[in-house]
Amino acid sequence: GQNIDQPTEMTATEGAIVQINCTYQTSGFNGLFWYQQHAGEAPTFLSYNVLDGLEEKGRFSSFLSRSKGYSYLLLKELQMKDSASYLCAVLDSNYQLIWGAGTKLIIKP
Amino acid sequence: IAGITQAPTSQILAAGRRMTLRCTQDMRHNAMYWYRQDLGLGLRLIHYSNTAGTTGKGEVPDGYSVSRANTDDFPLTLASAVPSQTSVYFCASSTSPGQGAGYTFGSGTRLTVV
Repeated sequence: GQNIDQPTEMTATEGAIVQINCTYQTSGFNGLFWYQQHAGEAPTFLSYNVLDGLEEKGRFSSFLSRSKGYSYLLLKELQMKDSASYLCAVLDSNYQLIWGAGTKLIIKP
Repeated sequence: IAGITQAPTSQILAAGRRMTLRCTQDMRHNAMYWYRQDLGLGLRLIHYSNTAGTTGKGEVPDGYSVSRANTDDFPLTLASAVPSQTSVYFCASSTSPGQGAGYTFGSGTRLTVV
């Protein structure tokens, strides 16, 4: 079966750095997405990786290793507004998105 | 309208009743999707449409039906609601299936079946 694993919850301090990991086992791979979802709101697109390596976008970076079935989302200079759930999703061989359950990130002052 | 509009925002529905969740997009996206999101689970695909006039079944299609008569609208119908269909429902769209810029989501419909 297809499976995406990410930690259920993480806690970090305002101003610090946090890394959210995602491992996947899917039938085929056509890219990996990270989304941010604030409580009670819709997911919003953060990043897309299809080749190995690091993609940087402001305070957020996303890394992919296809051979290891592994990705991480790195958030720098954490702000209180970064408190949210972060969803990892993989586009499989049928071009359907397979979603992880999400990581709830709690930021403390 | 800007993006995707879902209606209603929330609904309490008696079991056995029929209901249609509405979804309209104004971005001329070819592909549209319906997901349900339950606590502790990832988003699960109910039905999808890669282009107007075509639909397909996702991971959890039982009890739901969809239609795609035109590019903009993608309604989801619950023929006879059951309590296990209590969930938050999200409609999403993309330029084409699997395009790398990601999906745009509507704001969701919170449905409670009692």
